[in-house]
Amino acid sequence: AQSVTQLGSHVSVSEGALVLLRCNYSSSVPPYLFWYVQYPNQGLQLLLKYTSAATLVKGINGFEAEFKKSETSFHLTKPSAHMSDAAEYFCAVSFGNNDMRFGAGTRLTVKP
Amino acid sequence: DAGVIQSPRHEVTEMGQEVTLRCKPISGHNSLFWYRQTMMRGLELLIYFNNNVPIDDSGMPEDRFSAKMPNASFSTLKIQPSEPRDSAVYFCASRDGQGASSPLHFGNGTRLTVT
Repeated sequence: AQSVTQLGSHVSVSEGALVLLRCNYSSSVPPYLFWYVQYPNQGLQLLLKYTSAATLVKGINGFEAEFKKSETSFHLTKPSAHMSDAAEYFCAVSFGNNDMRFGAGTRLTVKP
Repeated sequence: DAGVIQSPRHEVTEMGQEVTLRCKPISGHNSLFWYRQTMMRGLELLIYFNNNVPIDDSGMPEDRFSAKMPNASFSTLKIQPSEPRDSAVYFCASRDGQGASSPLHFGNGTRLTVT
């Protein structure tokens, strides 16, 4: 069955440090993968998506993610964290039947 | 583009009462999803529609939950009777006709509290 697993429910970094949020997927067919961000009291917003055009995907707010088929991973990174990046981040997988499944989420805290 | 619109933003009700949550998807989107978010269970898919037809309702927790999509611009999620364990944030999302490669667009959610 298709699913995603996010490693680490809570990640804390200092402002200016590298952000790395981990996501591994399980899929028997080529997956479509997404990262979303959720700020308090808001819905989820799309950060970026992988749809097989390129393995390194750039998104909004300086985030990017790399699709690694051999590792079944789609980790999210940002070179330098900003206070405004504090939020909850969700990895999601979509597949042929039009369904979309989300990981459990990772809460990012940015320390000054 | 007004985005996905959900109403109400907050709902407080007593156990046993009927609750109706509403959603207006983005114009032109032909798939609509209802999710529930709680601290314990995260983001759960309840049901989704394609072209107003329910495709998968296996995530609907019990018969107390029902969802309808009478037309392309409106959907409801009803809980009758409501219970305290139904307290959660309910999200509606829509997607265009490009299928699985298209992202979901989320509303701001309805925070339901059942006392």
